Amino acid sequence: DVKVTQSSRYLVKRTGEKVFLECVQDMDHENMFWYRQDPGLGLRLIYFSYDVKMKEKGDIPEGYSVSREKKERFSLILESASTNQTSMYLCASSWRATNEKLFFGSGTQLSVL
Amino acid sequence: QKEVEQNSGPLSVPEGAIASLNCTYSDRGSQSFFWYRQYSGKSPELIMSIYSNGDKEDGRFTAQLNKASQYVSLLIRDSQPSDSATYLCAVKNNTGGFKTIFGAGTRLFVKA
Repeated sequence: DVKVTQSSRYLVKRTGEKVFLECVQDMDHENMFWYRQDPGLGLRLIYFSYDVKMKEKGDIPEGYSVSREKKERFSLILESASTNQTSMYLCASSWRATNEKLFFGSGTQLSVL
Repeated sequence: QKEVEQNSGPLSVPEGAIASLNCTYSDRGSQSFFWYRQYSGKSPELIMSIYSNGDKEDGRFTAQLNKASQYVSLLIRDSQPSDSATYLCAVKNNTGGFKTIFGAGTRLFVKA
């Protein structure tokens, strides 16, 4: 069974803090993604990576950065957390084949106070 | 205009009825189409994928694709209370890289 593991289920941080969200997958997937999910807006792509040390901006990259030093691990970094970054963050991974489906982690509900 | 549009619902159907969920998309170059189911408090899971015009059936689920109308639908036959969830339509343009674009989802409620 494919497993995509996110390090925290719930996280509470203060504005201005640097926040790290970690994601690890065990299926040797080339592609990894970070989405955020907000009511009424659905899933919006923040960043994705199709190889180690490669990263591409998604639709809403402002205020975020990512790191992919190893194939199985993709980190999302909030350099200086703000209240409008309170959201559910979902990590996903997939094989490189063009029609690949996404496998999602269980999500991290981040609250920035 | 949103890239992938869905009626947010809730769509309420009685147990045993057919639930019909609809989705439109704006990118004519889209080539891969997916339906994900998301239970409350859980992450999305893929239930159907479709790549060519027409119908694709898998058990109680049928996905329908009409590229000319830029329209995708999901039919759930013999709806069960366990089908109550949010259904996310997702679209991918394979020549545009690795991005999958999601709609906001339709909440389905199946009444016992």
